[in-house]
Amino acid sequence: GAVVSQHPSRVICKSGTSVKIECRSLDFQATTMFWYRQFPKQSLMLMATSNEGSKATYEQGVEKDKFLINHASLTLSTLTVTSAHPEDSSFYICSATAYGEGGEQYFGPGTRLTVT
Amino acid sequence: AQTVTQSQPEMSVQEAETVTLSCTYDTSESDYYLFWYKQPPSRQMILVIRQEAYKQQNATENRFSVNFQKAAKSFSLKISDSQLGDAAMYFCAYRSRTGNTPLVFGKGTRLSVIA
Repeated sequence: GAVVSQHPSRVICKSGTSVKIECRSLDFQATTMFWYRQFPKQSLMLMATSNEGSKATYEQGVEKDKFLINHASLTLSTLTVTSAHPEDSSFYICSATAYGEGGEQYFGPGTRLTVT
Repeated sequence: AQTVTQSQPEMSVQEAETVTLSCTYDTSESDYYLFWYKQPPSRQMILVIRQEAYKQQNATENRFSVNFQKAAKSFSLKISDSQLGDAAMYFCAYRSRTGNTPLVFGKGTRLSVIA
């Protein structure tokens, strides 16, 4: 099956700093990538949809200036949490899909962000 | 907008027994995909099974099978011969067949397997 990687798997940063999370499709070209946030014991919450070469579409309530998403190539999307605060601490998961691939989304292993 | 409902927050099953997880959804679309994903403690999302709405035949994958009732908008997952490794969070998800749309997830069901 298709493989999606995420880096880093864990990151601890200080309040006020920015952190970048990378999502890569390793063996296929991802026309669309999705970013989710998951709180403990809860479901995945969609943050934004990014299509290669265009601006990301953010879900209602997600601050686009705080969560910067870039999808510069067909294999890489990045999520940058700017001026991070403790309430941004969460588990972030990306998924990728290729158009016409039977509807399946391929998930990265997730990134645990802790803001101190 | 589509919604997915999982009415069982927690379920438990004896090892080697069979368990059924429930899922209902709401949509006005006629063609779509339905999925069950498993999320073990590692939190890696793993695809368990997929169903295409236009196919009447229920999908099966080894010990996993679904009961897809399109008219009732129901999509339950049956796990046969449950194993300790089946213990996880299970999410039912919907995806439109039109365009590259995101998955719509239910709230999940936590499955415990008792030895």
